[in-house]
Amino acid sequence: DAGVTQSPTHLIKTRGQHVTLRCSPISGHKSVSWYQQVLGQGPQFIFQYYEKEERGRGNFPDRFSARQFPNYSSELNVNALLLGDSALYLCASSFYSGGLLGETQYFGPGTRLLVL
Amino acid sequence: KNQVEQSPQSLIILEGKNCTLQCNYTVSPFSNLRWYKQDTGRGPVSLTIMTFSENTKSNGRYTATLDADTKQSSLHITASQLSDSASYICVAAGTALIFGKGTTLSVSS
Repeated sequence: DAGVTQSPTHLIKTRGQHVTLRCSPISGHKSVSWYQQVLGQGPQFIFQYYEKEERGRGNFPDRFSARQFPNYSSELNVNALLLGDSALYLCASSFYSGGLLGETQYFGPGTRLLVL
Repeated sequence: KNQVEQSPQSLIILEGKNCTLQCNYTVSPFSNLRWYKQDTGRGPVSLTIMTFSENTKSNGRYTATLDADTKQSSLHITASQLSDSASYICVAAGTALIFGKGTTLSVSS
């Protein structure tokens, strides 16, 4: 079975631009979570979606938005990019609660975003 | 404030040796604690998940312990291998998953 897939793997943008990152969860998983990982730090929670509804949101500005599609894949959108948005963006899938109730989360390889 | 602190920040050991990584958390309410291994440039991979009622859990050469009273956890790696070189991240789950900054382990031959 395929694991969590993310695209693109790498991306270079300039300040002020917009970016869309994509994630496909493991087959059968209905929950997708997004994380931002700055170099040398642990992942920071951005969003969790379950059955196409937002179930959790981290402390990120409104420039960050996401959605989940009927096939449970997900997009993360970031508007008006800043230099500080440069990071590894990770997507994780799980059955239901995004790990809160103890089920395993499976992470994708991430999208490395560089903002110049 | 919900937070997870890990120590040491980095660690270098010789192949074949054992090591223990520490995690202190202040997360309330608390549901479960997990350890992840993250290779450079890759996504984290789950090693162990423990609920508040569990004291220890093993996954091969990895053994995690949890003391919910003192809010401390440890990850013990036995007979280290070169492939154990990675960042090890402690995560406490409450109303959200709170990640530590990780301990970077380097195993040398």
